Order: sequence, then C-alpha cells, then structure tokens
Amino acid sequence: GQNIDQPTEMTATEGAIVQINCTYQTSGFNGLFWYQQHAGEAPTFLSYNVLDGLEEKGRFSSFLSRSKGYSYLLLKELQMKDSASYLCAVRNSGYSTLTFGKGTMLLVSP
Amino acid sequence: ETGVTQSPTHLIKTRGQQVTLRCSSQSGHNTVSWYQQALGQGPQFIFQYYREEENGRGNFPPRFSGLQFPNYSSELNVNALELDDSALYLCASSLETSGRSEQYFGPGTRLTVT
Repeated sequence: GQNIDQPTEMTATEGAIVQINCTYQTSGFNGLFWYQQHAGEAPTFLSYNVLDGLEEKGRFSSFLSRSKGYSYLLLKELQMKDSASYLCAVRNSGYSTLTFGKGTMLLVSP
Repeated sequence: ETGVTQSPTHLIKTRGQQVTLRCSSQSGHNTVSWYQQALGQGPQFIFQYYREEENGRGNFPPRFSGLQFPNYSSELNVNALELDDSALYLCASSLETSGRSEQYFGPGTRLTVT
C-alpha cells in the first residue's frame, strides 16, 4: 500500500517563497507528481520526478529523495493566483495509477 | 484546457439510484483512470481502463463499474447510490508507454446523493 503525508494548510505572502513538503511510504515507486488544484476545478500538472534531485520549471521547482521517501515543491515569487491546493501523488509501479495525498491548501495574502 | 471532457458537470441523485458518468479522453490517449475526490481530500483511485480492458482497481466495491469504448472514451457506473458517494468524480487520460505517462484531468462531475 501507499501512505502519503503533506501539511494540511500553509500561508505565505505575495512575492515570498514557500516550500511544501511531502513524505511517502510505498511498496512500489515509479515517480512522484505534483498537481495544483483550484477550488472546484480539476488538478493541473505541475511537475514530475522519478530520479533524485531538483527539477526546475519557471517559478516552480520540485525535489525528490527516493531513499528518504521525501519530496518538496518550491514556489517562488508567489502571486495571489497561486492560492490553491497542492497535491502530491505517487505513481505505483506496475501501472500508471496515482495515489494522492490529501493536499496542502496554500493561501497567499497581499 | 487538457482536452479531457466530462459530462454532466453536476448531478443530483437519490440514495439507491444508479448513475452513469462520461469521459472523453484527450486525442491520442489510450488510457483512462477514474478518481473519486471527497471534499477536502485528495483524489482516490477507482479503476483504470487500457485499450477497453480494466487495468487496475482501487479499494471500491463492485457497484462501481466502468467501460472503455473503441474511441477510448469511458463511462463510470455506480449502482445503489449511497450518501457517501457524494463527491467530485474525475477522469484522467494518458498515453501508456514505458515513459512517464502523465495524466491529464477533466473538469470533473460533481455528484450529490440525497
């Protein structure tokens, strides 16, 4: 089975940097995804890590340590529109289904 | 816009009834996965269809069933609806290769069971 933990809520200020952590325990691992979900909308893909290290994509970066079962999503130069839920998801080995954490609600204030 | 569409957008049903939800996958994708997302929770995997066959199933009872059609669109059927089935139902399409198989989500169907 899979167990994925991430903080429930975080707050940050516009223009700041925020790091959202995710820890996981899995019986199989074939990659870790981060999705953004605005209220009432579908999740949208942000990043993917399958090897250890940092993946950078504009204002968003994601880090993975497979030996520690740990990932983080780093958001820089925060904007009000970044207020959303951020979902960490692990892809099982075997087939490409995703196991999601409960999501971290990020509130960006002026 | 991911190119994945779902219908209907919203639905209200009564306990004990049956419901069918529909999903059209992104052009070129051959795999559809269905997820249930309760309020304040992350999506939970229901099942996946690959080339019209069920390719994996999560911890959901048999009253949750599905189909995938030759054009790779899909249906989710739920029988004997219960109040706890009230949730956002998401479908995600992907192109299954040996690579990363990124999933693209549709806008979801909000089901309310009263």
